[in-house]
Amino acid sequence: AQTVTQSQPEMSVQEAETVTLSCTYDTSESNYYLFWYKQPPSRQMILVIRQEAYKQQNATENRFSVNFQKAAKSFSLKISDSQLGDTAMYFCAFMNRLNTGNQFYFGTGTSLTVIP
Amino acid sequence: GAGVSQTPSNKVTEKGKYVELRCDPISGHTALYWYRQSLGQGPEFLIYFQGTGAADDSGLPNDRFFAVRPEGSVSTLKIQRTERGDSAVYLCASSRTGGSPYNEQFFGPGTRLTVL
Repeated sequence: AQTVTQSQPEMSVQEAETVTLSCTYDTSESNYYLFWYKQPPSRQMILVIRQEAYKQQNATENRFSVNFQKAAKSFSLKISDSQLGDTAMYFCAFMNRLNTGNQFYFGTGTSLTVIP
Repeated sequence: GAGVSQTPSNKVTEKGKYVELRCDPISGHTALYWYRQSLGQGPEFLIYFQGTGAADDSGLPNDRFFAVRPEGSVSTLKIQRTERGDSAVYLCASSRTGGSPYNEQFFGPGTRLTVL
């Protein structure tokens, strides 16, 4: 079974600063995908970034980047130049490449507050 | 085009009652997913439809939960004999097709179900 752990229930960061959210996971699979989703108060989950486990290069999307350490089963999200609109819950998620249903396994989330 | 919509946005019911939650996916999306998000938790997979058929219902917690998608578009999640433990936000997501993590799942805003 896959498990995803987010050990930081709450974090805060000053506007324009950088913050890193942690995520670890456990799986016996070798091919899989990792995701970070953002959930603002509107409740709508929004994809932030995606990483394929077979790719060594860390994914980046504008101000968002990941530090993927496959051996350590770690997948942290770095947000640079934090903006007030980044305030939200952030969920780390795992998807097994061989899972034809594409089910996500989500962590418990980190509540991020950007302070003006 | 419009995103995934869910109705109602909030539903309050009494223990033992029957409820139906509706999901309208993005037009043309053949894959549809239901998740349940309990307070303080990440979303938990319930069921996945590919077209009209339930391709994977392994996440449904018990036989009080049932979902249909008769025409391969709108889906209804049905809960019989509701219990207080069913209180949660029920999220729906759709993707262009299933079977690949490259097909991004787009989430709706969810229905918050409260069982008194």
